Amino acid sequence: TQLLEQSPQFLSIQEGENLTVYCNSSSVFSSLQWYRQEPGEGPVLLVTVVTGGEVKKLKRLTFQFGDARKDSSLHITAAQPGDTGLYLCALKTQGGSEKLVFGKGTKLTVNP
Amino acid sequence: SQTIHQWPATLVQPVGSPLSLECTVEGTSNPNLYWYRQAAGRGLQLLFYSVGIGQISSEVPQNLSASRPQDRQFILSSKKLLLSDSGFYLCAWRRFRGRGPGYTFGSGTRLTVV
Repeated sequence: TQLLEQSPQFLSIQEGENLTVYCNSSSVFSSLQWYRQEPGEGPVLLVTVVTGGEVKKLKRLTFQFGDARKDSSLHITAAQPGDTGLYLCALKTQGGSEKLVFGKGTKLTVNP
Repeated sequence: SQTIHQWPATLVQPVGSPLSLECTVEGTSNPNLYWYRQAAGRGLQLLFYSVGIGQISSEVPQNLSASRPQDRQFILSSKKLLLSDSGFYLCAWRRFRGRGPGYTFGSGTRLTVV
């Protein structure tokens, strides 16, 4: 059973459009991280959200943590070709040695 | 500042040959270290993690093994590669305790078993 579900799996849009991608879990999690991965590279951390209802902004990216701490969304305003990449959400399992569990990601393509 | 090095960047190996991928971290001590594999079109699967020298935890049964001979060195190995071992292998580290940035990943090794 996939701990984290991300949707959509693929998204292709034109430059200047807005978009939202989602990350959902059947379990409550204490914190969630969003990463962006470019082809041939490792993922790079964008943000960590901890508090239910929390909203964080990173330039044109807005991250939201659901009130029940079971879901999160990433909204990009006026997308640019440089936003192209694989967007991954991940949660940290607790207890003993912590581990990071990833969703399958949303592959975003922004066309010029 | 902390950096993570992973090599080689790409590797093509025949079935049945051995494998050794190396990852080293600089600028920190006693990090948690992780090996992930990413198959095409899929998310990252945790293979091994280590909280200290000689301490290895395996997440999934497989044809691979890991070792941590030094505090900041993590090695992924196989005695005989299978076709199914092909994929993108990523090493990552994080600070052992406390808050701070998330996981920092290396640039990955693209392994193709032929």
